[in-house]
Amino acid sequence: DGGITQSPKYLFRKEGQNVTLSCEQNLNHDAMYWYRQDPGQGLRLIYYSQIVNDFQKGDIAEGYSVSREKKESFPLTVTSAQKNPTAFYLCASSIEGRSNYGYTFGSGTRLTVV
Amino acid sequence: QKEVEQNSGPLSVPEGAIASLNCTYSDRGSQSFFWYRQYSGKSPELIMFIYSNGDKEDGRFTAQLNKASQYVSLLIRDSQPSDSATYLCAGLSGGSYIPTFGRGTSLIVHP
Repeated sequence: DGGITQSPKYLFRKEGQNVTLSCEQNLNHDAMYWYRQDPGQGLRLIYYSQIVNDFQKGDIAEGYSVSREKKESFPLTVTSAQKNPTAFYLCASSIEGRSNYGYTFGSGTRLTVV
Repeated sequence: QKEVEQNSGPLSVPEGAIASLNCTYSDRGSQSFFWYRQYSGKSPELIMFIYSNGDKEDGRFTAQLNKASQYVSLLIRDSQPSDSATYLCAGLSGGSYIPTFGRGTSLIVHP
């Protein structure tokens, strides 16, 4: 079945540590996105990519980095520069670089700073 | 600043009733709208998409769009406890491919 796989489901980060969240899709979607969700908050866009080897910053890109070396994969690194990384991270994809058909979301990664 | 506003709730309705969820938006250039359902601890899933004024029905769900008044609503008929979730509204402007999300409305359907 086609879909988006995020891993791990839960991740614990120590202070000063970089961690990478995985996102893989087999939907043949061109565009991929990373969102952050905090309790009681809406979805905030971190980064997005329309095509391979290209990506753009979203509203809250500071302290995060991404790569898009393959169409299927869009990993997110949470760097030590991100001072408050505890949140629910959602990866999404859409058809043709436009979200007219809406997003398909992965199951999410819950990141906690310990 | 594009904004999509939703009442955070919770909206509590009895089983079998009609649940009405509302969303207003500030960007008059918004052309299409989405409703996502998000169960607690889970990721959002798309349940409705609407771009024309009027109503769009899909099973127990009806989306309503009024561009003149800049609001979108989602009606859930015959509400079930399994409908209890947070419902996110999102608007998409013409020429853009990044929607603006509201903060979501929590719906509780009690037996």
